[in-house]
Amino acid sequence: DIQMTQSPSSLSASVGDRVTITCRASQSINTYLNWYQQKPGKAPKLLIYAASDLQSGVPSRFSGSGSGTDFTLTISSLQPEDLATYYCQQSNSMPWTFGQGTRVEIK
Amino acid sequence: QVQLQESGPGLVKPSETLSLTCTVSGTSISDYYWSWIRQPAGKGLEWIGRLYTSGSTNYNPSLKSRVTMSVDTSKNQFSLKLTSVTAADTAVYYCTREHDYSNYDWFDPWGQGTLVTVSS
Repeated sequence: DIQMTQSPSSLSASVGDRVTITCRASQSINTYLNWYQQKPGKAPKLLIYAASDLQSGVPSRFSGSGSGTDFTLTISSLQPEDLATYYCQQSNSMPWTFGQGTRVEIK
Repeated sequence: QVQLQESGPGLVKPSETLSLTCTVSGTSISDYYWSWIRQPAGKGLEWIGRLYTSGSTNYNPSLKSRVTMSVDTSKNQFSLKLTSVTAADTAVYYCTREHDYSNYDWFDPWGQGTLVTVSS
């Protein structure tokens, strides 16, 4: 199985800050990488697919980059509604696997 | 707007079979992949497996010996069965549509999730 490792596990930032979350795959996954946002008590929601494609309806402050083994999710200007846990997920080879999550808190 | 809704018992006894159904609305269930994903309380996400509406399936090897997925196109539903459950199978179970485009796969949308507790 491909292991996905996210860092940090949690972070606290102020409204308006630029936030960066990284995801590393245990082997190259090209750009077969997706990002999800899970707000407390809710189901995950797709933010980014194919490493950098923004899902329709997702605010443009979210962006994704990377290829191979190293990926980044960036929130350009953190908003209060971005309080959530963020997960990366690889779709290079089955079984599909997720990172352990990064919890984003608002200072 | 595509919507998914999980249903099934919220409490299952150890060694018995967990059975869940996902009802899809807003689109035909045909010609898509459909997946089940679970999340133990306070933990991360685990992909259980997927099925195509032709009936073909792919399961996570960690659960393969206990999992069966099926589809009922007449009801626009698909189902999950997990046998010989233990407390470790206690989790919120989500159903989701899996998009498969040029070998890229992603999950959208998701059902709201249903908590299944394994306890006597």
